[in-house]
Formats: sequence, C-alpha cells, structure tokens
Amino acid sequence: EAGVVQSPRYKIIEKKQPVAFWCNPISGHNTLYWYLQNLGQGPELLIRYENEEAVDDSQLPKDRFSAERLKGVDSTLKIQPAELGDSAVYLCASSLGTEETQYFGPGTRLLVL
Amino acid sequence: GEDVEQSLFLSVREGDSSVINCTYTDSSSTYLYWYKQEPGAGLQLLTYIFSNMDMKQDQRLTVLLNKKDKHLSLRIADTQTGDSAIYFCAAPNGSARQLTFGSGTQLTVLP
Repeated sequence: EAGVVQSPRYKIIEKKQPVAFWCNPISGHNTLYWYLQNLGQGPELLIRYENEEAVDDSQLPKDRFSAERLKGVDSTLKIQPAELGDSAVYLCASSLGTEETQYFGPGTRLLVL
Repeated sequence: GEDVEQSLFLSVREGDSSVINCTYTDSSSTYLYWYKQEPGAGLQLLTYIFSNMDMKQDQRLTVLLNKKDKHLSLRIADTQTGDSAIYFCAAPNGSARQLTFGSGTQLTVLP
C-alpha cells in the first residue's frame, strides 16, 4: 500500500514568489493534515481537513497561506508571496479519522532566498 | 493546550540501550506516540501506547508510561547505528484534537 505522497521534495524560490505543495494521502484516509517543521523543532499543525472541509485552520497564516482539498482526496498548500521566514519543511499527514494514528509523507523542503 | 518536552540530545554506544524521555501536560491524552525522523525524511511512526497501559513492548522497543507524572519513555535495546535519528514524542491536545510534538531528541549511536 502506498504511503502519503508529496511533491515536490525540494523547492528553491526567491522571496515574493508564489509556491505550491501537493499531497496525496493514503487511500481511504478521510483526515488530512498540513504541518510546518522549522529546523530543530517538531511539526506544528497548519490545517486539518475532514474530507473536503477545513475543520481546524487556526494556525494557518491566512494573509499569505491558503489550502484546498476540493474532492476530499489530494490537497494543495500555497504560499503567496513567500517570505524568507517561510523556509522550512512542509509535511503532510493523513489518518482514517480525526483521532486515529497519523502517517506522514516525506515532506517538501522549501528554501526562500 | 498541550505542552510536550524532550531532552535535545542523546549519545550511546552501539549495542547499549537508549532511553529517550518525554513529559506532557494534558492528562486527558488518550494515545501517546513515538515517531522517528531520519535526515531528509518525513516522520515514521515507531510505536504508540494507550493511556490505560503502563508498558508496551515491540521487539527492541519498550514504551513506559507514568500517568501520575505525565512521563513517557522510549527504550531501544541493542541500539544500532541505523537507529541514529531524531525521535519525537507526540501527545494529542484533547480539546483541539490535534497532535502536539516535542522538539525531538537527536540520538547519536557511536561505533
């Protein structure tokens, strides 16, 4: 069974440019999470989806970050415009339900110059 | 909300046992998790323990839970060089239904 798939694995952009990350969760997993992991820290939740509904986006900086999961399967996280401080690893995870075990993808490593 | 604390570094000799410790604050936590992250990779679920258990053993891994002190530990027996990684403890924030992660413990296994 395939795990959580993320692309791209690495992205280098200049500040003020837009960037998008894609995630395909494990088949059958209704809950999808986007996390931000800064260097030397644990992941911090940005947004959680139950099917296509964003049920927890309180940590998402809505002035520049947006996310969607239109058909309740794969999801896209966008930053526009990117800032230097956005350099980090963006992790996607999925679970069968909200309180089920979360499985993580390999992450997208973003470097903003 | 939940607060999860871990020591930052641990160094052991190959073949010795490693013990990684974690404390959490939310006593309503149901499951508690240990994840492993190797360089350049995502988080790999290692094991988890339900809050009504004191201990769980899975091959070389032993998880101990002290609910009174809100203390969780992960013991790796016969530590190998391939065990070198960052280990994260994670506890659910009961009210927000989200996982709170510690800052991770960097385990270095010396030959």
